[in-house]
Amino acid sequence: EVQLVDSGGGFIQPGQSLRLSCTPSGITFGDNGVSWVRQAPGKGLEWVSFIRGRRYGGTTEYAASVKGRFTISRDYGRGIAYLQMNSLKIEDTGVYYCSRVEMTTMAVDYWGQGTVVTVSS
Amino acid sequence: QTVVTQEPSVTVSPGGTVTLTCASSTGAVTSGYFPNWFQQKPGQAPRSLIYNSDKRHSWTPARFSGSLLGDKAALTLSGVQPEDEADYYCQLYAGGAQVMFGGGTKLTVL
Repeated sequence: EVQLVDSGGGFIQPGQSLRLSCTPSGITFGDNGVSWVRQAPGKGLEWVSFIRGRRYGGTTEYAASVKGRFTISRDYGRGIAYLQMNSLKIEDTGVYYCSRVEMTTMAVDYWGQGTVVTVSS
Repeated sequence: QTVVTQEPSVTVSPGGTVTLTCASSTGAVTSGYFPNWFQQKPGQAPRSLIYNSDKRHSWTPARFSGSLLGDKAALTLSGVQPEDEADYYCQLYAGGAQVMFGGGTKLTVL
C-alpha cells in the first residue's frame, strides 16, 4: 500500500521539544518536496513548513508562526523527512500531517495519517 | 498577509451539482497559484483531489472537476453522492513561504 507514515507525536509541556518523522511506504520522496501541515482541534488546515527536493536545492520555508522554532529536514539516505519542534507552545497543539509535493506543478499527492501533538502544562 | 476565502458551508441534494470557490484577498487566483483541492472526512487525513487548478489525481472520481472561474479557483462536484459529504479545502502557493489554505467548506449532502 502506498502511504506516508507520520510518527513522533505525544503529550509534552510548553517549552519542550519533539521530533516528528515522515516515512514513505510503497513510494519514495525522490526529488519531490515535503510539506508539514497541522490542524488544531476543530479547526482548519494550516501550512507549517516545506522542504524542496535535493535537485531544487533542498531549501526550506516556514510559516511565520513557527519560524525560528521548527526545523524541517530530510535524510536522503534513509528517505525520511523530519520536523524538529523546539520551544513548543500550547497553540502548537494539533494533528500534524506530512505530504509529498511534486515540484513542477506543486501538486500535493500523498498524505500521512497524522500524528497528534498535545502541548499542555 | 494573503487571506484565502471559501464558503463556510454548502448544502446539496444527492445527484445534484455544486461548485465550491476559493478566493484570494490579493486579487485574482490564477494558474500561477497552483491551486490544490483536498477532501477531509471526520477523523481522517486530508485526501488530494485536484492539482494545478484542473488536474485530477489517478484516484480522483470523474465527478470532481477543478477550474478557474472568474477570479477564483473552483471545485465542481457533479452527481453528488452521499459519501461526498466532507470538508473541502483549497490551497494556493504564491512562492517562497506563501503557502495558504482556505478556511474550508463543509459540504452537507441532504
